[in-house]
Amino acid sequence: DAGVTQSPTHLIKTRGQQVTLRCSPKSGHDTVSWYQQALGQGPQFIFQYYEEEERQRGNFPDRFSGHQFPNYSSELNVNALLLGDSALYLCASSLAGDSPNQPQHFGDGTRLSIL
Amino acid sequence: GQNIDQPTEMTATEGAIVQINCTYQTSGFNGLFWYQQHAGEAPTFLSYNVLDGLEEKGRFSSFLSRSKGYSYLLLKELQMKDSASYLCAVADSNYQLIWGAGTKLIIKP
Repeated sequence: DAGVTQSPTHLIKTRGQQVTLRCSPKSGHDTVSWYQQALGQGPQFIFQYYEEEERQRGNFPDRFSGHQFPNYSSELNVNALLLGDSALYLCASSLAGDSPNQPQHFGDGTRLSIL
Repeated sequence: GQNIDQPTEMTATEGAIVQINCTYQTSGFNGLFWYQQHAGEAPTFLSYNVLDGLEEKGRFSSFLSRSKGYSYLLLKELQMKDSASYLCAVADSNYQLIWGAGTKLIIKP
């Protein structure tokens, strides 16, 4: 039973560039959430996708966008990269019909470094 | 605004007990989660509380007081592998998780 997988594991970009991160949810899950985790901080919610649509969004600028595909996998796109975008980007999956006490399952993340 | 507070770092001895506190102020409350995160790894689920009281799960227990906006995670019989960051997260009125910055727990022999 495959868990949440993310790619790539590490990425180095320069300011102004664009990046795409990918996530495959745990088998059987249909909802994907993306988080940004700066060093020494807790995760910050970026947005959540369900049925190929953005269902909720955190306090992130429009430079951050996403997509969910029919197979429930998801992409996070960040345009016009800033130094402050350097962080660990975590993807978490869940099942929409689950009760609230069911935890999200996290991937190991993509470490993005902006030079 | 929404706020989750936890101590930045704690140190404990192998075999001992440690309590990690979390206080929160959020717009709505739909449960509180504790996650463990080893350096460079994904957060893994430890516990969930939505009603007041203590939930016990092996060496780990979690307590919640909704009236006080307070929770703690209790770790017993500490092992070296328990060295990690412990994250407190609250599900708000939209079921969106609001996270604390995490408590780095250092276990000494």
